[in-house]
This record gives sequence, structure tokens and C-alpha cells, in this order.
Amino acid sequence: QQQVKQSPQSLIVQKGGISIINCAYENTAFDYFPWYQQFPGKGPALLIAIRPDVSEKKEGRFTISFNKSAKQFSLHIMDSQPGDSATYFCAASKDGATNKLIFGTGTLLAVQP
Amino acid sequence: KAGVTQTPRYLIKTRGQQVTLSCSPISGHRSVSWYQQTPGQGLQFLFEYFSETQRNKGNFPGRFSGRQFSNSRSEMNVSTLELGDSALYLCASSLGGTSSGNTIYFGEGSWLTVV
Repeated sequence: QQQVKQSPQSLIVQKGGISIINCAYENTAFDYFPWYQQFPGKGPALLIAIRPDVSEKKEGRFTISFNKSAKQFSLHIMDSQPGDSATYFCAASKDGATNKLIFGTGTLLAVQP
Repeated sequence: KAGVTQTPRYLIKTRGQQVTLSCSPISGHRSVSWYQQTPGQGLQFLFEYFSETQRNKGNFPGRFSGRQFSNSRSEMNVSTLELGDSALYLCASSLGGTSSGNTIYFGEGSWLTVV
């Protein structure tokens, strides 16, 4: 019930293309869904986050789409750039469990020039 | 504004030894949490401290422990190290309100190798 499933495990996209990473969760008590970006040798950094009362959130080239009924959410990276090459993690948490993030397994994104 | 600082960055320990890792949160942040990152298990929550009290705990054996000091700095300790404890240990901090959605900032981690 605490799982967050993430796919694909790895993704290769051409420069300028759209990268799409999907996550699904089971626990309906989750109410906060962040995406983190991690470069080698660095800690994860928050990219964008969404709550279930919103179906979409956009920040620059990054968009989260959220489907509450399907218990799924996805990250779209528009106009992907080589500098976006990193590992992306979706996560979820619930009210009252502030820093207890349940992470997906990660997606290694490679953007080819 | 300084980020989350973790020390040491790299360390090698022998099976059976113990290790203490240190974390200094962002100034003003009262919540500190710890995560273990391994290729096989991914990012897993260890525990969270808020105002010197453990507020949440993950599913790890009792060999993993932590504490938080009055200045919000935190330490985690692993006793009787096993080879499987080799991992990147990440510390994260946030303001620590009771609602989810507080931005959580991660440090760069402490790489622990157990031989």
C-alpha cells in the first residue's frame, strides 16, 4: 500500500523531444507528489510538485499531469536538452508525514544531442 | 544561504564496525530526515526528526539510529555494519510543518562502503 511504481526504468530522447515518465501509486492517503532530479554525485533536487486537487501543473519546460481516479501521475519534459540527462524520481507523501517521502525506483534519462 | 551539509562525504568501514554520519540542515529548518540510496532498493526513508524528537521511522533494523540536537543538526549511527549497508546516505531538511508539501532539500550525501 506504500508503493510508488515508476516507469520506464530508462529513457533515451532526442534533443528537442518530449520526455515522459510515469508513476502510479496505491495509497489514496497520499496528497503530495513531488518529482526530483538527481545528477551523478549529487543529492536529489526538487523539480516540481503537485497536489491531488490539481490535474496539471507547469513550470517552465516541466509539467506534471495528475489523474486522481487512475492513481497515476506523470512528468513531461518539453524540448528536452542534453543538460536534462539525469535520473528522475517521483515520490509521494501524506499529510502528517512531512518528510517521509515514498520514492519510485527512478528513471535514467539520456537526451541525445 | 547554505544548503544541507553532510559529513563525511566518503568513508570506508569494516564489517562489524559502527559509523556516525552528520548533517547540518538549512538554517531555520527544524525537520531533518535521512534516506538510504542503493542501486537495488532505491531511495528508502530511514527516519525523521523534528525538534529533537523522532517523528517518523522507516522499516530498518534497530542498528540504524539517529538523533537531533537543539540546533537542529542531526546524526545517524549504524552499528555492527554489514556489507549490505554500503550505500549513499542522504540527509534532507525542511521547515517541518505538519502538512505535507513542505519543500524538502537534500544534501549531497555520505557515501559509505563496508568491506
